[in-house]
Amino acid sequence: IAGITQAPTSQILAAGRRMTLRCTQDMRHNAMYWYRQDLGLGLRLIHYSNTAGTTGKGEVPDGYSVSRANTDDFPLTLASAVPSQTSVYFCASSATSAYTDTQYFGPGTRLTVL
Amino acid sequence: AQSVAQPEDQVNVAEGNPLTVKCTYSVSGNPYLFWYVQYPNRGLQFLLKYITGDNLVKGSYGFEAEFNKSQTSFHLKKPSALVSDSALYFCAVKDYGQNFVFGPGTRLSVLP
Repeated sequence: IAGITQAPTSQILAAGRRMTLRCTQDMRHNAMYWYRQDLGLGLRLIHYSNTAGTTGKGEVPDGYSVSRANTDDFPLTLASAVPSQTSVYFCASSATSAYTDTQYFGPGTRLTVL
Repeated sequence: AQSVAQPEDQVNVAEGNPLTVKCTYSVSGNPYLFWYVQYPNRGLQFLLKYITGDNLVKGSYGFEAEFNKSQTSFHLKKPSALVSDSALYFCAVKDYGQNFVFGPGTRLSVLP
């Protein structure tokens, strides 16, 4: 069982370009999340999805969009990348959106916007 | 709004000594508290969580954490540190109906 996979592992992107970060889980978890990790700020939630077909905004959603067409996949799109979006992006999932559920994380995507 | 503080950016401890990584939280309702560890170039790994019940929670790799409601703290502890415990540690809190809020992280260095 792979758990959560993310692609690409890293990417250097010119400002203004469109980029989609991919996330796939094989645990049949209902809830999925996207975080960005920045030094000194910990992880901040960008978007989440409690179940397939639904999405919600987290703490820092501006400049990002997500879709949840099925249970397994939760892609994150930067429509027009800016340098402030340089970060490490983590996808996570949990069995449900219940407050007691543990989140499991992917290995991350390191994105640099120049 | 819920929040998490990890007052120490860095904790250094000698191998074999006990370690403590501090976490305090603020929530409006009952807290659900988690600790995660991140090794270099890796995603976060779940260590332990407090939902209800015994205030002392035991988790993976010999770690434990003590929930203290009066002090709104959830410090991570280990009786005897290993060099392999060196990593970045995140405390997180979840309030009912809300999403996770993570602390800024504490870098633990265990010196041989």
